[in-house]
Amino acid sequence: GNSVTQMEGPVTLSEEAFLTINCTYTATGYPSLFWYVQYPGEGLQLLLKATKADDKGSNKGFEATYRKETTSFHLEKGSVQVSDSAVYFCALSPGGGGSNYKLTFGKGTLLTVNP
Amino acid sequence: GAGVSQSPRYKVAKRGQDVALRCDPISGHVSLFWYQQALGQGPEFLTYFQNEAQLDKSGLPSDRFFAERPEGSVSTLKIQRTQQEDSAVYLCASSLAVGGGYTFGSGTRLTVV
Repeated sequence: GNSVTQMEGPVTLSEEAFLTINCTYTATGYPSLFWYVQYPGEGLQLLLKATKADDKGSNKGFEATYRKETTSFHLEKGSVQVSDSAVYFCALSPGGGGSNYKLTFGKGTLLTVNP
Repeated sequence: GAGVSQSPRYKVAKRGQDVALRCDPISGHVSLFWYQQALGQGPEFLTYFQNEAQLDKSGLPSDRFFAERPEGSVSTLKIQRTQQEDSAVYLCASSLAVGGGYTFGSGTRLTVV
């Protein structure tokens, strides 16, 4: 079946540090890949997505590249801010028809950014 | 509305009690999903509606779990005879179309004591 493995946290960084959160996946075919963010007390928000190999998703200074050869979708940001403190989830939905609506999530990575 | 609204925000139930969790999706969103998020885990798929039709309920953990969306808008997730392992955050999400990314509500945190 489909699965997502992401870097376990917590991750603690100082403001303006470089961020990488690793994510690898197992899936048949050509899944779509997502990063969701969950701020304290709020629902999951879509941060960025990529729907085919070599696509780069980007938003709010975050970016991730869909690497089919390494089945990875690592999240990066060049300079984190205190306001980026949240839990980050990597997720996939199966490609093609069938159950392409069903998201499979990783366990989440808690990021804390200190001033 | 502007977002997906879920109620109640918190629910404490005694073991064996029935509970009903409500989801108000974004107006006009055809697709509606329920996910269960246990503590320290990622969300796990429970069920999917397209309008009023429940197209996939493969993720419901047992026959104690039941979801409905009778008029194709508001949805209710009902859990009968709650057990401690049902304690989790229940998330609802909606979208205009599948595959593009969904809008999640803030969830209902259910604690069974």
